Amino acid sequence: EAGVAQSPRYKIIEKRQSVAFWCNPISGHATLYWYQQILGQGPKLLIQFQNNGVVDDSQLPKDRFSAERLKGVDSTLKIQPAKLEDSAVYLCASRPQGPNTEAFFGQGTRLTVV
Amino acid sequence: AQTVTQSQPEMSVQEAETVTLSCTYDTSESDYYLFWYKQPPSRQMILVIRQEAYKQQNATENRFSVNFQKAAKSFSLKISDSQLGDAAMYFCARLYSNYQLIWGAGTKLIIKP
Repeated sequence: EAGVAQSPRYKIIEKRQSVAFWCNPISGHATLYWYQQILGQGPKLLIQFQNNGVVDDSQLPKDRFSAERLKGVDSTLKIQPAKLEDSAVYLCASRPQGPNTEAFFGQGTRLTVV
Repeated sequence: AQTVTQSQPEMSVQEAETVTLSCTYDTSESDYYLFWYKQPPSRQMILVIRQEAYKQQNATENRFSVNFQKAAKSFSLKISDSQLGDAAMYFCARLYSNYQLIWGAGTKLIIKP
């Protein structure tokens, strides 16, 4: 079974530039999460999709961050314009339907804003 | 607020010894799921063990076991016969009814050879 794919693995941009991350979840997984993980901290939920609908985006800085999940499959997360404090690892995870299922993670994208 | 608390930023253990990582959480639900994940330097999160709150029996996966105290809202991870490959960040997570996963801040586990 293929895992959660994320790209790119690394990205360096200057502040005020824009950047986009892509996630391809495991086939058939209904729930998709985007997390921001700052070094030394736990993952912070940015947005949670259930199929192609948003369940929770309360911690997404909507003035600069946006995310979409087309046709309930792939997802993109965009930052425009980026700030220095956006430097972090962005993790994508997916889960199949049902409560007793684990989340599967991609390898993440390390973003450095200079 | 929905919180998961890991009070140990860092733990170290001698190889082959046993170590326990602590986790507490808040909830008003009676049925829920708890997870321990491992994040090695490669940063990909890997599931270590899961516990269903309605099950009284503590989950066990080889050298990994949990001590689940539902009344105390405590969910600690015990690693027996620690190995060098166990060195990683360990995160405790709770799954809420809307399938939201809430994470603790993590515990860095150091294995001393």
